[in-house]
Amino acid sequence: KQEVTQIPAALSVPEGENLVLNCSFTDSAIYNLQWFRQDPGKGLTSLLLIQSSQREQTSGRLNASLDKSSGRSTLYIAASQPGDSATYLCTGGFNKFYFGSGTKLNVKP
Amino acid sequence: DTGVSQDPRHKITKRGQNVTFRCDPISEHNRLYWYRQTLGQGPEFLTYFQNEAQLEKSRLLSDRFSAERPKGSFSTLEIQRTEQGDSAMYLCASSETGSHSPLHFGNGTRLTVT
Repeated sequence: KQEVTQIPAALSVPEGENLVLNCSFTDSAIYNLQWFRQDPGKGLTSLLLIQSSQREQTSGRLNASLDKSSGRSTLYIAASQPGDSATYLCTGGFNKFYFGSGTKLNVKP
Repeated sequence: DTGVSQDPRHKITKRGQNVTFRCDPISEHNRLYWYRQTLGQGPEFLTYFQNEAQLEKSRLLSDRFSAERPKGSFSTLEIQRTEQGDSAMYLCASSETGSHSPLHFGNGTRLTVT
C-alpha cells in the first residue's frame, strides 16, 4: 500500500512569503502525482497534476515538482495570499490513490 | 462538465439505521472512487469502480458497507446498521481511464450518527 507523508503538518506565514510544502511517498510506481487544496467542509480542488514522465508543472503562483526516484514532490507557492489558506493534499497512484494527512496552511494578512 | 455531484450534502441518522449516498460522476468518466475523511485526516480509500465493475475494496470497509455502480454511471454507497464511528465526510471522485487522468472530487456527504 502506498504510504504518503506530508511535511509540515501545519504552517503559518505572513502574507507575501514564498513557501514550500513537501510530499513523500513509498511506492515510486505511480502514474502521476496530484496536488489538491481543501477548504473546510468542502471537497478537494485539483491544483496541479504531474505525469510520471514529467518533472514539474506550473500554474500561476504554484509550481510542483516530482522526483520519482526519491519518492518526493514539492509544491511551491509564490507570494502567498490570505486566500491560499487551506489544507493542501497530495496523492500519487497507479489505479488507487492514497492520501497523506495534508499540510494546513494559514496565511496571515 | 458539471463536476462530480453528491447527494445529500448532510445526513444525520440514529445509530442502527441504514443510510445511502449517491454520487454522479463527470459524464464519460469510467472510474469512480469512494473515500472517507475524518476531521484532521486525509481521505481514506474505500473502493473504486471501472465502469460497473467494482475492482477493489479496502479491507477497512466492513461488511456493513456496500457500493454499487449498476450501469456504469452514478454510484451509491450504503452503510447498514450505522455506528457512531461511521461519522465522517464521504467523498466521491471520478476520472477517465487513462493513466494520466486527474481525479475530480465532489463536495462530499457529511454523515453524523447520533
